[in-house]
Amino acid sequence: AQTVTQSQPEMSVQEAETVTLSCTYDTSESDYYLFWYKQPPSRQMILVIRQEAYKQQNATENRFSVNFQKAAKSFSLKISDSQLGDAAMYFCAYADSGTYKYIFGTGTRLKVLA
Amino acid sequence: NAGVTQTPKFQVLKTGQSMTLQCAQDMNHEYMSWYRQDPGMGLRLIHYSVGAGITDQGEVPNGYNVSRSTTEDFPLRLLSAAPSQTSVYFCASSRQGGWTGELFFGEGSRLTVL
Repeated sequence: AQTVTQSQPEMSVQEAETVTLSCTYDTSESDYYLFWYKQPPSRQMILVIRQEAYKQQNATENRFSVNFQKAAKSFSLKISDSQLGDAAMYFCAYADSGTYKYIFGTGTRLKVLA
Repeated sequence: NAGVTQTPKFQVLKTGQSMTLQCAQDMNHEYMSWYRQDPGMGLRLIHYSVGAGITDQGEVPNGYNVSRSTTEDFPLRLLSAAPSQTSVYFCASSRQGGWTGELFFGEGSRLTVL
């Protein structure tokens, strides 16, 4: 069975600094997607970034980028120039393109210090 | 632009009562799913559906029923609520044709079972 592990329950970063959130996963499938979702205090789940497993190039979205290491089954999120609005719970997620099942990690709470 | 609509947003039940969490989407998405979010456990898949008339179990299906009679609606039924079902519930949808894996979430429903 697929699993997603986020080993950092909480992280802090100074405003304007860079922070990296870790995620590892386990799967025997070759075709899948990986995601980072943000959940601010409003509770709304917001897609931050998506990575297709068949793409070697790391995905980027403005200040957000990933380090996708397929062989190591690692998928970390880097947030550059951190802003107060980045404070939220971040969830790493895996999706199997064959079964459409999604597996979420337990989340990392990010605090941004002014 | 409604997206995914969940009702109610808050509900308090007594043990043994039944209720239905409603979920509707207006994006013509084939895929719909229900998750529960508990502290320290991330989001766990309860049930999902890949189209009208088709449903399947996720990771934690016990105590919950679903049906999918239309593309738009995917209600989640609790037949006899238990305190262990106290949680925040999210409905999410995704298109399957040209699947990108992105889930669109409702705003969540907080359920308390006394």
